[in-house]
Amino acid sequence: GAVVSQHPSWVICKSGTSVKIECRSLDFQATTMFWYRQFPKQSLMLMATSNEGSKATYEQGVEKDKFLINHASLTLSTLTVTSAHPEDSSFYICSARKSGTGAYEQYFGPGTRLTVT
Amino acid sequence: SQKIEQNSEALNIQEGKTATLTCNYTNYSPAYLQWYRQDPGRGPVFLLLIRENEKEKRKERLKVTFDTTLKQSLFHITASQPADSATYLCALGSGGYQKVTFGTGTKLQVIP
Repeated sequence: GAVVSQHPSWVICKSGTSVKIECRSLDFQATTMFWYRQFPKQSLMLMATSNEGSKATYEQGVEKDKFLINHASLTLSTLTVTSAHPEDSSFYICSARKSGTGAYEQYFGPGTRLTVT
Repeated sequence: SQKIEQNSEALNIQEGKTATLTCNYTNYSPAYLQWYRQDPGRGPVFLLLIRENEKEKRKERLKVTFDTTLKQSLFHITASQPADSATYLCALGSGGYQKVTFGTGTKLQVIP
């Protein structure tokens, strides 16, 4: 199997606070994890590529100081939305690739619905 | 700039028929192409991968074709079932452990 979990599945926070989202690969190791956000009826927008033990690579237009990514182990990556604002409300999804297999497919978590009030 | 296009309108099809979804791309030379299924409020689920040197790939009721000359992939679901109703995303990758780029997705509705 290739199971990826995310926690929490949904969160409501007040404007100005920070929120941490965890992404775990439960039954495989993942050198590389990806963070996406998705707005209603739109496709996945890649925010950053997270590599274990190194700094994340952010896509153009994504503020790295606002969206902090830490990939501390081969099974865990975290995304922290700092000083959240209502426009950060979205569906955040992580994915992971299996390490050492040469496989390209990504295994996605179930997503986290963030609502900033 | 790179562009990946999928039918933006929903595709409605009668149960038992073959559903065909299209993915077109421009300004891109992908090493491989993937198809994913996404249900509402859930993360995508990987279905199939086809490489640039492959013309066709099959998995159970699914078939994918890849025409690098036309810059197009077709995704077929034969003997479609209501449970196949979902949004289907194509994604293109350049190889290695690089990122993939997702299309906008096509919503498929299989009518009983």
